Amino acid sequence: DGGITQSPKYLFRKEGQNVTLSCEQNLNHDAMYWYRQDPGQGLRLIYYSQIVNDFQKGDIAEGYSVSREKKESFPLTVTSAQKNPTAFYLCASSETGVGSPLHFGNGTRLTVT
Amino acid sequence: SQQGEEDPQALSIQEGENATMNCSYKTSINNLQWYRQNSGRGLVHLILIRSNEREKHSGRLRVTLDTSKKSSSLLITASRAADTASYFCATANSGNTPLVFGKGTRLSVIA
Repeated sequence: DGGITQSPKYLFRKEGQNVTLSCEQNLNHDAMYWYRQDPGQGLRLIYYSQIVNDFQKGDIAEGYSVSREKKESFPLTVTSAQKNPTAFYLCASSETGVGSPLHFGNGTRLTVT
Repeated sequence: SQQGEEDPQALSIQEGENATMNCSYKTSINNLQWYRQNSGRGLVHLILIRSNEREKHSGRLRVTLDTSKKSSSLLITASRAADTASYFCATANSGNTPLVFGKGTRLSVIA
């Protein structure tokens, strides 16, 4: 059953700690993306990767880091430098090509206190 | 940067009625897509319309695109309670850049 798996579904951390969100896909897609969703603000792009070992910043990359060592995996680290990390994080993947439809995971809700 | 802006922000209708949501965007596009999101879940791709297309159908969904007005509409006919969700438009610009999403329309279908 092909798809994208994000884990965990809920994550709680203390302020000042780094935390890594997992995203794995078995769709054989080249491109992967991380979006952040806040109430009333839609989706905002954090980072994306169109090929292994390469990634680009999105609109709100500050305070986040990513790696793309394998085609199937695109983990996101929320660092202590991110001022407002509490949010719903969505990972997606797509085939390469202009405007290919995205396949989304079911998200990780991160709460930092 | 958010390009698509959906209208209305929220919509409440009775089961069986039609629901229409609109999306406006600012720059030229390669295609426009609509997605659905149930509460607390990821987005699901519904339909894609290319810049050279004017109308597209998929089941109870009908999408129109007017590139001269830079706008699109999503019509859901004969709505059901299960259609209750948020609906987002996303635009694909020329060049290999990621989709840009709007803020969404929250649809409530009351049984």
